[in-house]
Amino acid sequence: DAKTTQPPSMDCAEGRAANLPCNHSTISGNEYVYWYRQIHSQGPQYIIHGLKNNETNEMASLIITEDRKSSTLILPHATLRDTAVYYCIVSNTDKLIFGTGTRLQVFP
Amino acid sequence: DGGITQSPKYLFRKEGQNVTLSCEQNLNHDAMYWYRQDPGQGLRLIYYSQIVNDFQKGDIAEGYSVSREKKESFPLTVTSAQKNPTAFYLCASSPGGWATNYGYTFGSGTRLTVV
Repeated sequence: DAKTTQPPSMDCAEGRAANLPCNHSTISGNEYVYWYRQIHSQGPQYIIHGLKNNETNEMASLIITEDRKSSTLILPHATLRDTAVYYCIVSNTDKLIFGTGTRLQVFP
Repeated sequence: DGGITQSPKYLFRKEGQNVTLSCEQNLNHDAMYWYRQDPGQGLRLIYYSQIVNDFQKGDIAEGYSVSREKKESFPLTVTSAQKNPTAFYLCASSPGGWATNYGYTFGSGTRLTVV
């Protein structure tokens, strides 16, 4: 599985868009990009995933660059409840390998 | 409601004792996983099982053992051979097949402290 690089921490004002970057320069053609988040002391929660097209659901949007070497998770209107650690994972197998993620702090 | 249950939430054990963590799911998921999380760290995969009576080692299987005798259950035993067992343990399940990686459902975790 390809490895990912994420900034260790980010801040975002409540109501503003949170843009969380992820680099995955060694991604292979059949590997998907997955995003999960973990609120303190809970199990991670699935957010969104994609292969090469941009994706949107009720939680977030996922923008994948054309060369697939990086992606951005967008929370369009961040709330205090979005404060969590966000994990970007690339995988084509039947298991997920979590890195250390980005700790997003949303402030009032 | 369907879900995945880990018990107990907090567990204390003396050094040298084996301890078993429970994980039960009623989601009819084929695949189940055990992860370990240390403070400020990501999740590390211990063991996983894609089907009943079969399981594979993850990245840090040494000092742990599992069984998968029923689809609903995937208990994890932390043995005395595990050098640093104090950690937060998370169990997950997924449907398996093509929906595996975005269908993960996690339990609420067991915080194990060995003294």
